[in-house]
Amino acid sequence: LAKTTQPISMDSYEGQEVNITCSHNNIATNDYITWYQQFPSQGPRFIIQGYKTKVTNEVASLFIPADRKSSTLSLPRVSLSDTAVYYCLVGPISSGSARQLTFGSGTQLTVLP
Amino acid sequence: SQTIHQWPATLVQPVGSPLSLECTVEGTSNPNLYWYRQAAGRGLQLLFYSVGIGQISSEVPQNLSASRPQDRQFILSSKKLLLSDSGFYLCAWSLRTGGWNEQFFGPGTRLTVL
Repeated sequence: LAKTTQPISMDSYEGQEVNITCSHNNIATNDYITWYQQFPSQGPRFIIQGYKTKVTNEVASLFIPADRKSSTLSLPRVSLSDTAVYYCLVGPISSGSARQLTFGSGTQLTVLP
Repeated sequence: SQTIHQWPATLVQPVGSPLSLECTVEGTSNPNLYWYRQAAGRGLQLLFYSVGIGQISSEVPQNLSASRPQDRQFILSSKKLLLSDSGFYLCAWSLRTGGWNEQFFGPGTRLTVL
């Protein structure tokens, strides 16, 4: 199983770019990296997913170095509404046992005015 | 579009009482279904998943059970609740062909066992 490690918490100010790093040293060849966002008393919401290099969508960017042992979620110009817990998830995208999925401990991002 | 429903939203139950949480998905067929539990301030713990009607896989041995009587219905049950069963219960679904990473979560049920 690919264990993930994330910072417990991060603070930022409105308008800044925020980078949250996740370590996954024993990631498997067929594992993808997925990030979720969770607000209090709500279910997590899918943000972005990638395998290598860089992926960008309308919400965030995901940077994955060549060795794939870490990944960085980048949120451009955060606002107060981006305050949430962000989870890093590593697992295969093809069908298989769900037990291969590993949710990180999550990073509490607090955006300050 | 697809939607996922969970009920009830909140529940307070005494120790030793039974439990039944229901989850239904609309707008998709043959989804993979999941039950997670989240303790206060903690990450998500996968409890059960299902790839089809009547097919249930358990991740953590405990006094909970799951059933899938219909394609888009997933039920979490217990015969006798423990204090440690308190938490935030989340149901999720994913496309059968989309793999296990792309999961869509319901609004959750907050369970308090007293």
